[in-house]
Amino acid sequence: ETGVTQTPRHLVMGMTNKKSLKCEQHLGHNAMYWYKQSAKKPLELMFVYNFKEQTENNSVPSRFSPECPNSSHLFLHLHTLQPEDSALYLCASSQVDRGLSGNTIYFGEGSWLTVV
Amino acid sequence: AQKITQTQPGMFVQEKEAVTLDCTYDTSDQSYGLFWYKQPSSGEMIFLIYQGSYDEQNATEGRYSLNFQKARKSANLVISASQLGDSAMYFCAMREGGNSGAGSYQLTFGKGTKLSVIP
Repeated sequence: ETGVTQTPRHLVMGMTNKKSLKCEQHLGHNAMYWYKQSAKKPLELMFVYNFKEQTENNSVPSRFSPECPNSSHLFLHLHTLQPEDSALYLCASSQVDRGLSGNTIYFGEGSWLTVV
Repeated sequence: AQKITQTQPGMFVQEKEAVTLDCTYDTSDQSYGLFWYKQPSSGEMIFLIYQGSYDEQNATEGRYSLNFQKARKSANLVISASQLGDSAMYFCAMREGGNSGAGSYQLTFGKGTKLSVIP
């Protein structure tokens, strides 16, 4: 059983819809991440939250809106997406105060998103 | 320039044999960490093994070992006694430490190698 759970696992949405991806980590970590994985492209970091504060936003379009209400939960709100946003969205968590060696990132199972 | 290079898009290995997946990296930092992840077709990214830039011994975790050659900037993953369940995508990743050694949040991934284990 993974320590990071994501729902839904599969989502199909129209370009005018509003939906949200949910992530919960059970590892007691203090940092959470959203990554995007598109076909034939390396994994891309989208957002980082450290102690509920957003610390990185890698030039992600505003149609993706993250929310981190506490250190265990992370959401990605989606609205007016484009077909090219279809991808696997991976949530992850880590403990950032353990130095470089302890800061292993653990991923969830991912949410497969298809925009039609 | 790519920071992580995995030159093998696909690899085949016979069941019970060992296989080496290549990874080279590029960084000017003295402190960095190297990671390997496995991604089955289901999508989950599973952490396998970690090697720190200051670690003198090659990392090992069960059937996984990391052949770390710092001067050549390579961190190859060796899987011994391959099993059918090892068939998956394998990603090499790096976190750079910077001057403080505290590390950034950015984990840079390679494009991956698809491993297929043949019965």
